This record gives sequence, structure tokens and C-alpha cells, in this order.
Amino acid sequence: ETGVTQSPTHLIKTRGQQVTLRCSSQSGHNTVSWYQQALGQGPQFIFQYYREEENGRGNFPPRFSGLQFPNYSSELNVNALELDDSALYLCASSLSRGFYGYTFGSGTRLTVV
Amino acid sequence: EDQVTQSPEALRLQEGESSSLNCSYTVSGLRGLFWYRQDPGKGPEFLFTLYSAGEEKEKERLKATLTKKESFLHITAPKPEDSATYLCAVLDSTETSGSRLTFGEGTQLTVNP
Repeated sequence: ETGVTQSPTHLIKTRGQQVTLRCSSQSGHNTVSWYQQALGQGPQFIFQYYREEENGRGNFPPRFSGLQFPNYSSELNVNALELDDSALYLCASSLSRGFYGYTFGSGTRLTVV
Repeated sequence: EDQVTQSPEALRLQEGESSSLNCSYTVSGLRGLFWYRQDPGKGPEFLFTLYSAGEEKEKERLKATLTKKESFLHITAPKPEDSATYLCAVLDSTETSGSRLTFGEGTQLTVNP
């Protein structure tokens, strides 16, 4: 049974650029959620995808967007990067929209300069 | 809006010195309380899920308990390899907006040999 894999592991971008982060969900999981974790803080919910549709969104602006593919993998896109977007981005997969818990990936460390 | 507060922010113990971490929460209806362990630069690793007051779960040197307002993570005779940040989160879910975890800020535990 494979776990959640995220790519890339580290990324450096310039303010104003766009970035795409990728996530492969754990085998058998049909729901993917994305979280942002700033240094020294707990993860913050960005949004959740279930059956290729957004199924809940946290307090993040529209420049944060996502996709889920038929194989349940997912992408997080961030446009017009700001310095405050520097964080660890975590992908979590689950069954049935997460009612029974989540498995997290190791994250993508994004640095915006 | 769900709120989760963890204390203390940081805890330093000697090997073998037992202690407890606290997680207090305010939710409209608890659907699950999760404990995760997070090592530096890694994603959260699942430890326990608790669903109702009075419930207890154990794993090696860790024991999690739940009341109507708070949860405790008891660490018995800790070892240096237990050093990590411990995160508490509550699950919020609805039929229309999926599910999300609301995390506390975490307790950074250091166990000295």
C-alpha cells in the first residue's frame, strides 16, 4: 500500500510568479485535501476535492486553486505569489471526504523571494 | 467556528520523566479529535482518533483521553526518539462542505537523554 506522495519536495519562486504542486493520493483514497503550514504554526485548511470537484474551502483567496484527476491525484496552483505564501504545503488523502481520518504526505516546502 | 488551543507551546523532559500535553477545543459538534506527531520538515503522522467523551486509546508510551472540552496526550517514560511536535485537530464535516481538520498550534516536545 503506497502512501501519499508530493512533488516537488522543495521549491523557490519569485514574488508574482505562479506555482503548481502535485499530490498522489494513497491507494484506494478518493478525497484529497490541501493544507498550508507556516513555520511554527498548525496546518490551515485550503480546500478539499472529492470526485474531481471542490468540496469545501478555507479562508484562502481565489488565486489558490486546485484540480483532482480521475485517478484521484491532485494539483494545487497558486497565482501571483506573495512573500507570505512561503510555507509547507501538505496534501492529505482520505476515504469518503475524510470522515474517518486523513493520511498526510511529507509536504512541499515553498519559499517565495 | 471551531477553535483548538494546545498547551504548553514547548515542553522539555528528561528521559523517563512522564508528562501530559493538553488540547482544549470549542466546536459546534465534535465529530472526531485527532492527534498527530510531526517531525521537522515532515508531514503529520497519525497517532489516534477519539470520537466521544470518556474514550481512551494507547500506543506504546502514548495514551490519549477525551472529555467534553479537552483531550490529553499522556507520555509515560518518554525516550529521546519521542521528541517531535504533537498536533491536535478537530474534525468538522457537513454534507454540503465536506470535511476539514482545524489544528492547534502544536506542542514541541524535547526529551533529553
